[in-house]
Amino acid sequence: ETGVTQTPRHLVMGMTNKKSLKCEQHLGHNAMYWYKQSAKKPLELMFVYNFKEQTENNSVPSRFSPECPNSSHLFLHLHTLQPEDSALYLCASSQVWKRKILNTGELFFGEGSRLTVL
Amino acid sequence: AQSVTQPDIHITVSEGASLELRCNYSYGATPYLFWYVQSPGQGLQLLLKYFSGDTLVQGIKGFEAEFKRSQSSFNLRKPSVHWSDAAEYFCAVGSQGNLIFGKGTKLSVKP
Repeated sequence: ETGVTQTPRHLVMGMTNKKSLKCEQHLGHNAMYWYKQSAKKPLELMFVYNFKEQTENNSVPSRFSPECPNSSHLFLHLHTLQPEDSALYLCASSQVWKRKILNTGELFFGEGSRLTVL
Repeated sequence: AQSVTQPDIHITVSEGASLELRCNYSYGATPYLFWYVQSPGQGLQLLLKYFSGDTLVQGIKGFEAEFKRSQSSFNLRKPSVHWSDAAEYFCAVGSQGNLIFGKGTKLSVKP
């Protein structure tokens, strides 16, 4: 149990469907992340939210839409995906720059949502 | 450019044998260094981290890693591998959550 919970763990969707991935962290962290992990590829950072503000969008196609309503919850809305978007989507959280104290900022990962696009 | 290199894609060791997984990095400042482990179908779990002080750091599950600034390396070691250590291992460098990951080394353990 890492303190980061992702739902659903598995999702199968057609290319015309709309679905959402959910992530919740119980660690009191102030930053949350979405990563994509495909076979044979390194981890790809997709989005970063610090203090609920999006600070990074790593050239992700618009068919992926993140939402961070508060510092504990992060969503990834999926729409009109392609088969090549099939992957393991990992959510992570960390504690960054709190009260001017530098934190090592290691990431705590959820178990991932395995997405298959048909 | 900042980068992390894990030169070994796949390593097989016998149970009870020692293990060393290599990691080299390129980073503009003194980095924070991490090793993560990922079991099949799971997320990444932090094994250990280095950010200052003693260059030999101890982690969970009997793992340790040594930071060598002169070689820009942060190799992971374990003196005696168990079958449950079979997994993929990722080295990462960075700070404040801005981590760069290597491509990973898959470890297989044979009886």
